This record gives sequence, C-alpha cells and structure tokens, in this order.
Amino acid sequence: TQLLEQSPQFLSIQEGENLTVYCNSSSVFSSLQWYRQEPGEGPVLLVTVVTGGEVKKLKRLTFQFGDARKDSSLHITAAQPGDTGLYLCAGAPGYALNFGKGTSLLVTP
Amino acid sequence: NAGVTQTPKFQVLKTGQSMTLQCAQDMNHNSMYWYRQDPGMGLRLIYYSASEGTTDKGEVPNGYNVSRLNKREFSLRLESAAPSQTSVYFCASSEGPGQLGNTIYFGEGSWLTVV
Repeated sequence: TQLLEQSPQFLSIQEGENLTVYCNSSSVFSSLQWYRQEPGEGPVLLVTVVTGGEVKKLKRLTFQFGDARKDSSLHITAAQPGDTGLYLCAGAPGYALNFGKGTSLLVTP
Repeated sequence: NAGVTQTPKFQVLKTGQSMTLQCAQDMNHNSMYWYRQDPGMGLRLIYYSASEGTTDKGEVPNGYNVSRLNKREFSLRLESAAPSQTSVYFCASSEGPGQLGNTIYFGEGSWLTVV
C-alpha cells in the first residue's frame, strides 16, 4: 500500500494551460514537501508546507496543505515548457521521507 | 558547490558480482540516505543513517548493506547482485529528520544494470 498517492500519474498539456496535481494519504503528516525531478538528475525541493490549510506560492506554482494535514495539491498557472518534469510529494511517517510515485508533466509549446 | 556526490554514475554488473556505490556530502549534514528509483514504483528508501555511527533499514533493504564511514560518507554495497537490483540509485543527505521538514539534497544518481 502506497503511503502517498499522487494523481494524475501522467499529464500532457499545452503551454499556457493551468493544471493541478494531487497528493493524498490516509495518514497525518507534520509536514509535506514537493520536489521536482528533471531527467537524469536527482529531485530538488520546491516547497515545504507545515500548517494545515497553508497556501504557499512560488511564482506560478501554488501549493496547498489540507486542513487535516493528510493531503496537498500543486497548481501551476500558465504552464511553460520549462515546467516539464516529475513532481513528487513526500512526507515522513518516521525519520526519513517517504515519496509518492510522482506526476510526470509534459508541457508542449 | 559539490553538495552530494555519488560514484560511479553508470555501472553494468553480472549476476552474482559485488560492488559498492560511494557517496559523499560536503554540507556537514547529520543524516544520509540511499533510495532506489524504478519505473512505476517511485523512490523507495533502502537504508538511512540518522547520524554518524548509526544505520537503519528502510522499505527495501534486502540484498544491500551500508556503511557510514564518517560524517561525510555513506556507502551502499551489493554483495551478490541480482537483475532485480537494476535501478537508479540516489544518495541524499539532510541536516535532520524528514519528519521535522528538513530538506533532503540528492545526488545525481547512479545507473546500475545487472545482467
């Protein structure tokens, strides 16, 4: 059983479209993180959300932590080809981070 | 800034051979990790070391051993490689535990193929 379920698994959109990806769990987390991974590289942290209901913005990316601290979403406004990559959510049920399987995003010009 | 450096980047092994993946971080982090990434399976934790001198099993430890050589270095050893261990391996480090929201910094990955 996957601790963190991400949806959709794959997303292919055109430049300028908006999109939302989701990260859901039945467990409560003290914090959730979002990472982005490009081909041939390791994941890189985008944001950490800590407080239930928290909304954080990073340029065109908006991250929300659910009120119950069991889920999170990532919304991208006016997607660009440079947003292409694998988006991973992560939470720590114990010491180390547990990752979802990721959402693979392709943005075409 | 080197960050997390892992070697080798690519390796092909025959079934039954052994090898060690090396990892070093220059951020003075206490915690280090080894993950493997497989298509459709995501990133899975193999072993971690919360601090120098300690190691703990993660989700998929079978077939692997680790050594926290010092604060900087954390190696992963495959004693008798199997085709199921074909994967991309990532070493990572953090200042403290993930449950406290610490950022994890990843290396660039090691592509291992076992034939």
